[in-house]
Amino acid sequence: DSGVTQTPKHLITATGQRVTLRCSPRSGDLSVYWYQQSLDQGLQFLIQYYNGEERAKGNILERFSAQQFPDLHSELNLSSLELGDSALYFCASSVAAGGTYNEQFFGPGTRLTVL
Amino acid sequence: AQKVTQAQTEISVVEKEDVTLDCVYETRDTTYYLFWYKQPPSGELVFLIRRNSFDEQNEISGRYSWNFQKSTSSFNFTITASQVVDSAVYFCALSDFNQAGTALIFGKGTTLSVSS
Repeated sequence: DSGVTQTPKHLITATGQRVTLRCSPRSGDLSVYWYQQSLDQGLQFLIQYYNGEERAKGNILERFSAQQFPDLHSELNLSSLELGDSALYFCASSVAAGGTYNEQFFGPGTRLTVL
Repeated sequence: AQKVTQAQTEISVVEKEDVTLDCVYETRDTTYYLFWYKQPPSGELVFLIRRNSFDEQNEISGRYSWNFQKSTSSFNFTITASQVVDSAVYFCALSDFNQAGTALIFGKGTTLSVSS
């Protein structure tokens, strides 16, 4: 158990809908990262937040947004869902923002199925 | 550009065979980190090892060993005397010190199937 929690574990929804994925980092970690794992694209970095501020952005669609709250939990919002958004979404956390590498601990993931 | 290539998509071995998973990377950074993760059928990502760019010593942990060669930009992973429980997808990853944060760039993964 990495100490990173993600809810829900599974999510099934329809095209055009909006969903919110939630992540709680390990105690003491200030950075949260979101990754998407799909059959087409593999494991891709989406976005990083550090202590409430966006720090790095990867291949995140404009329909997707994220935020980190004062209690350091993070939410990933996916809107206008398409079939291709079906994937496993991982959250990871680390102590600091970057520079010297800080190990990222991954949560169990949320499996999103768009029908 | 930051890139990780795992050329082997799938590997099948019989228990007790040794198997090597290849990883080749490209990076613009002079200091970087390389990782291996295991993803068993249950889906979680399990951290196996981290290696920084200025430490080229090989590492052994039980049946696992890693060979880092900066000259060929490779970070290969060997499982000795494989077991059925080693069946999983294995990912090699590279740190990307981009913008003001750090991301991991993953390879496409190698699916290892170990049969009894």
